Amino acid sequence: GENVEQHPSTLSVQEGDSAVIKCTYSDSASNYFPWYKQELGKRPQLIIDIRSNVGEKKDQRIAVTLNKTAKHFSLHITETQPEDSAVYFCAASWMDSSYKLIFGSGTRLLVRP
Amino acid sequence: GAVVSQHPSWVICKSGTSVKIECRSLDFQATTMFWYRQFPKQSLMLMATSNEGSKATYEQGVEKDKFLINHASLTLSTLTVTSAHPEDSSFYICSARVTGAYEQYFGPGTRLTVT
Repeated sequence: GENVEQHPSTLSVQEGDSAVIKCTYSDSASNYFPWYKQELGKRPQLIIDIRSNVGEKKDQRIAVTLNKTAKHFSLHITETQPEDSAVYFCAASWMDSSYKLIFGSGTRLLVRP
Repeated sequence: GAVVSQHPSWVICKSGTSVKIECRSLDFQATTMFWYRQFPKQSLMLMATSNEGSKATYEQGVEKDKFLINHASLTLSTLTVTSAHPEDSSFYICSARVTGAYEQYFGPGTRLTVT
């Protein structure tokens, strides 16, 4: 089955710096890659997603890149702010699996003021 | 739009009892609902996938006789934890999706504590 690996497990950056989180997946059939932000005790919140027919997608300070050949995708956050501090999860999904999501292990991002 | 609710938001029960958690899609019809479990400082682990009117598909290692899932309508799925034990204490989150869409909409989660 699909396996998603996520690095780093923790990331500390200075406010205003950029943060990059990387994920790799194992199943080449995966074709949907969402990123979630989760604050303590709350539901995951979709922040950006990308389909396999696209190499890059950007939404203001957040961008995601996908390399299908290497089977990895990355989340880029620019001009980080303290409110970006949270746990971020990547995930992978594919149509033939009823679109179920397999999550990475998570990255705890701390933005220092 | 695309709101998913869960009830209760938290529950405390005694070891050996059963607990039912409801997941509702409030403003859309959910073809498929998913149940996840999340232990402290860990990721979301998919427990099962349920389609309206059919039996749930459980992930490897998840006991289907212990975690009973019912998806009786396009807006409601329930998870019953039977004969709960302290090790079942966790954060249970449901999600729902509509036909043809990849995106899943997550419920707020239910914190279960078994004493």
